[in-house]
Amino acid sequence: NAGVMQNPRHLVRRRGQEARLRCSPMKGHSHVYWYRQLPEEGLKFMVYLQKENIIDESGMPKERFSAEFPKEGPSILRIQQVVRGDSAAYFCASSPVGTSTDTQYFGPGTRLTVL
Amino acid sequence: DQQVKQNSPSLSVQEGRISILNCDYTNSMFDYFLWYKKYPAEGPTFLISISSIKDKNEDGRFTVFLNKSAKHLSLHIVPSQPGDSAVYFCAASDYSGGGADGLTFGKGTHLIIQP
Repeated sequence: NAGVMQNPRHLVRRRGQEARLRCSPMKGHSHVYWYRQLPEEGLKFMVYLQKENIIDESGMPKERFSAEFPKEGPSILRIQQVVRGDSAAYFCASSPVGTSTDTQYFGPGTRLTVL
Repeated sequence: DQQVKQNSPSLSVQEGRISILNCDYTNSMFDYFLWYKKYPAEGPTFLISISSIKDKNEDGRFTVFLNKSAKHLSLHIVPSQPGDSAVYFCAASDYSGGGADGLTFGKGTHLIIQP
């Protein structure tokens, strides 16, 4: 039973390029969360999605960042025109139902480096 | 504005002794608390959780205590083992309060188990 999968594990981009991060939730999970961890910081919530729906994007920067979770395929976190400050570890988590006591299971993360 | 605080960046404990990791929170709407363990270059791994209606939850060597009046929780690991060396994150949620649907994390405590 595979866990949450994220790819790529490492991504290097130059300033102004686009970054696409992928997340496949655990089998049977229909809720996906994205978090960002800056160096020496805790994880910061970005967005919560269900299939084809963005439920809560209160943690997403207003510009350049977008997320989707299509009916088929992985969830995608897209960062347009990356800047050095976007360098961070991006973690995806999934849960089966999305209730208040629903544990979120995390993937290994994608480490984005912007040159 | 840090709503979940882990004031000890690191903690060193001898193997076989008790490790106590502390966490304070400021948002009284938080109703569910979790502890995650994280090794370098990996995603956080769920350890144990507690609902705000309880004051203690135990799972093997791990016990979490919640003091709602003090807005404080702690994770006890006994006996501590070398494999417990990792960064421990405290996280909280307020799903029922209508807040963000993601978890709010502390900055983490690096636990080092000395042989």
